[in-house]
Amino acid sequence: EVQLVQSGTEVKKPGATVKISCKVSGYTFNDYYMHWARQAPGKGPEWMGLVDPKHGETVYPEKFQGRVTIIADTSTHTAHLELSRLRSEDTAVYYCALSGNYEPFDTWGQGTLVTVSS
Amino acid sequence: DIVMTQSPDSLAVSLGERATINCKSSQSILYNSNNRNYLAWYQQRPGQPPKLLISWASARESGVPDRFSGSGSGTDFTLTISSLQAEDVAVYYCQQYYRLPYNFGQGTKLEIK
Repeated sequence: EVQLVQSGTEVKKPGATVKISCKVSGYTFNDYYMHWARQAPGKGPEWMGLVDPKHGETVYPEKFQGRVTIIADTSTHTAHLELSRLRSEDTAVYYCALSGNYEPFDTWGQGTLVTVSS
Repeated sequence: DIVMTQSPDSLAVSLGERATINCKSSQSILYNSNNRNYLAWYQQRPGQPPKLLISWASARESGVPDRFSGSGSGTDFTLTISSLQAEDVAVYYCQQYYRLPYNFGQGTKLEIK
């Protein structure tokens, strides 16, 4: 069974950096893209980027470029999302999710709540 | 970027009745080389991550009840629940995976009337 298990709730102050992890099991880590998306209360998911674990390549949307870093650690089968210069609008549930190449997200992590508050 | 717009934002349907949710993309997500529409539907219950229901606009995932069906092509798509059950209360999202960024619609909240 494919499983994505994310790290726990985070509370951060404005301007800080948050790092969330997503440990995978049940499939070959290099065979699928790992995406990160976030969901603010009452909103649809917002795609934040992807990593190709096989080649280490990343793609980020323009909105997050310069603030987000996604890394795939093939030795621990864990993907990481780092978001810097946090502001209150970054308060959301953050998800990791798997897909094939140009395919939908067929497996999701359980979500990690990040709250940004002074 | 491709913008996904759903309608309505919320919907109340009686048990056993049909529910219809629409999704429109700002440009065609039909890839002519393989005649596939790069459109997915997800169901999200409170406190849960989204769950993939339908891919390629009309292909149900394994284990998804056959009362769920997807249709449409190009820019206009529909998710239909033929006979609403209590467990179908959720928010439904469409997503295009034709081109990055893989944008989602804003969601349609489905409730029991």
